[in-house]
Amino acid sequence: AQTVTQSQPEMSVQEAETVTLSCTYDTSENNYYLFWYKQPPSRQMILVIRQEAYKQQNATENRFSVNFQKAAKSFSLKISDSQLGDTAMYFCAFRLFFGNEKLTFGTGTRLTIIP
Amino acid sequence: SQTIHQWPATLVQPVGSPLSLECTVEGTSNPNLYWYRQAAGRGLQLLFYSVGIGQISSEVPQNLSASRPQDRQFILSSKKLLLSDSGFYLCACTGGVSTDTQYFGPGTRLTVL
Repeated sequence: AQTVTQSQPEMSVQEAETVTLSCTYDTSENNYYLFWYKQPPSRQMILVIRQEAYKQQNATENRFSVNFQKAAKSFSLKISDSQLGDTAMYFCAFRLFFGNEKLTFGTGTRLTIIP
Repeated sequence: SQTIHQWPATLVQPVGSPLSLECTVEGTSNPNLYWYRQAAGRGLQLLFYSVGIGQISSEVPQNLSASRPQDRQFILSSKKLLLSDSGFYLCACTGGVSTDTQYFGPGTRLTVL
C-alpha cells in the first residue's frame, strides 16, 4: 500500500517571500502521479499542480513549482512571491498510473501568509 | 471543463436519522466518481468510488452506502447516522479532458448531534 507523509503540520511566511512544503511518499511502483491540492477556508479542494513520475522535468504552474526527487521519493512544493490568498491547507496526494485511480492523501500542511 | 455540484452545503442531523447527500457532474460523460470524508483536522479518506452506473466499490466498511443511478449522479446514504459520521464530505470526479486528475466539488458539512 502507498503512504504519503507531510511532516510540517503548520508553516507561516511573510507575504512576498518563498516557502517550500515537504512531502514524501512510499511505493514499490514505478509509474504514478503526484499532486498538490489546496484547501482554503471555503474547504473546496483545488488542484495546484501535478507531476507524472515518468517525467524528469519538474512541473511548474505560475508561482508554484515542485521539486520531484523520484529516487528519494520526495515531492516538495515551492510557492514563490507568496500572496495572502495562498493561505490554506495544502495536501500532497499520490495515485498509481494504472488501477482504480485511488488518491492517497497526506495529512496536510496549514500555511499562513502573514501580511 | 467539468463542474461538480453537491447538496446540501450543510446539514445537521440527529443520531439515528437517515442521510442522503447528492453529487452531480456537468461537462463530462462517463466520469469516474468518488466520495471522500474529511474529519476535523485530518486528511481525506476515500469512502466509495464508481466507474459506471450501478458500479460501486467500497474502500472502508462503515455505516454508509453509495449509489449511482445515473451516469453523472452519485449519492451517499445512511439508514441510521452515528456521531462518528460527522465530517466534511467531498465528491470528486475524473473525466473529460483530464482522465488522470480528480477534481472536487464544494463539499457538504455534516454534523450529527
